Amino acid sequence: EAGVTQFPSHSVIEKGQTVTLRCDPISGHDNLYWYRRVMGKEIKFLLHFVKESKQDESGMPNNRFLAERTGGTYSTLKVQPAELEDSGVYFCASSHRVRAEAFFGQGTRLTVV
Amino acid sequence: AQTVTQSQPEMSVQEAETVTLSCTYDTSESDYYLFWYKQPPSRQMILVIRQEAYKQQNATENRFSVNFQKAAKSFSLKISDSQLGDAAMYFCAYRSADSSYKLIFGSGTRLLVRP
Repeated sequence: EAGVTQFPSHSVIEKGQTVTLRCDPISGHDNLYWYRRVMGKEIKFLLHFVKESKQDESGMPNNRFLAERTGGTYSTLKVQPAELEDSGVYFCASSHRVRAEAFFGQGTRLTVV
Repeated sequence: AQTVTQSQPEMSVQEAETVTLSCTYDTSESDYYLFWYKQPPSRQMILVIRQEAYKQQNATENRFSVNFQKAAKSFSLKISDSQLGDAAMYFCAYRSADSSYKLIFGSGTRLLVRP
């Protein structure tokens, strides 16, 4: 069974550009989460999908971030326009049920220069 | 709000030796879960071990064990007989036992294993 897969592994973009991160959860997992680790600090929650619906986006830093999960399968996280402070590692995780173990991807390292 | 603190940015251990990674947390809740996750370089983050707060017995998974001190709000991870493959970032995490799904992480500890 394939795990959670994230694309790309690394992305370097200039300030002001747009970047889209993708997450493919484990097949059959309705719950999908985005987390972010900035500047070597703690990993912080961004948002939670149940199928295609956003259940909680309280962790999204501002309106430059847009997450979607069309059809309840893969999810994208778009940053537009990117700022220097957006640099970090973006993790995606999925779980079968809300309180079940969440399986994480390898993360996408985003560098904004 | 709950917080998780990992005070050791980096630790080093000799292969075959034992190392303990520290984690403290702050919460007013009585029921919750604690986790240790491991992320090898450029690989998926995986769950190493999990502890339910209502259980007094410390969780153990092969060479990995925890020392859970609920009153002290401490949750350290002990790795015995360290192997080169244990080299990774280790994150301590907290989750409420209610309907919450959010994991609250510490800042991580990088573990180096010397051959």
